[in-house]
Amino acid sequence: QKEVEQNSGPLSVPEGAIASLNCTYSDRVSQSFFWYRQYSGKSPELIMSIYSNGDKEDGRFTAQLNKASQYVSLLIRDSQPSDSATYLCAVNKEGGKLIFGQGTELSVKP
Amino acid sequence: DADVTQTPRNRITKTGKRIMLECSQTKGHDRMYWYRQDPGLGLRLIYYSFDVKDINKGEISDGYSVSRQAQAKFSLSLESAIPNQTALYFCATSDRTTGVNEQFFGPGTRLTVL
Repeated sequence: QKEVEQNSGPLSVPEGAIASLNCTYSDRVSQSFFWYRQYSGKSPELIMSIYSNGDKEDGRFTAQLNKASQYVSLLIRDSQPSDSATYLCAVNKEGGKLIFGQGTELSVKP
Repeated sequence: DADVTQTPRNRITKTGKRIMLECSQTKGHDRMYWYRQDPGLGLRLIYYSFDVKDINKGEISDGYSVSRQAQAKFSLSLESAIPNQTALYFCATSDRTTGVNEQFFGPGTRLTVL
């Protein structure tokens, strides 16, 4: 079992729809969770951090955390073609390391 | 703007050559990391350093070495490059004092080993 798992996609949504990206993790002691966006050939960019159970909203992005189910998700409302990218879930591991999922490719169709 | 920079941005080299990738940051962060990214394999940690005197191996350190010359500089060396080290390499930094390990990435170095 991988420590951090994401569906690789591609996930295709129409412009204006809600995109839902999911991530599960195996280490129950993890306390910090991150979503990065990576455009093709570019570096990962941190877009959301979440540390407590529940929802955290920032503009069109909402991160959701359920530690009991070891599940993190990212919702993108009113999806735009510019949101087309690979989204990486990262989980903080004891010792100061991040473990990354393989990423979910999102395609937003005009 | 506080930033993370990497040099070179692209490098083509031959099998057996020694090469160095450099990372500098003006963020004032104490922690620095080197990752490689391969299609389908995600980001994998090569080495990390929590301060100038602290160097740690990541999950794929074989064939690589690092040097933390100063708090702001962290270099990655391939002693004898091989074709399967062809990848996209990223440097990242984080600030220990925040306690949450948000990492910020440099622009990357695309390395090709022929």
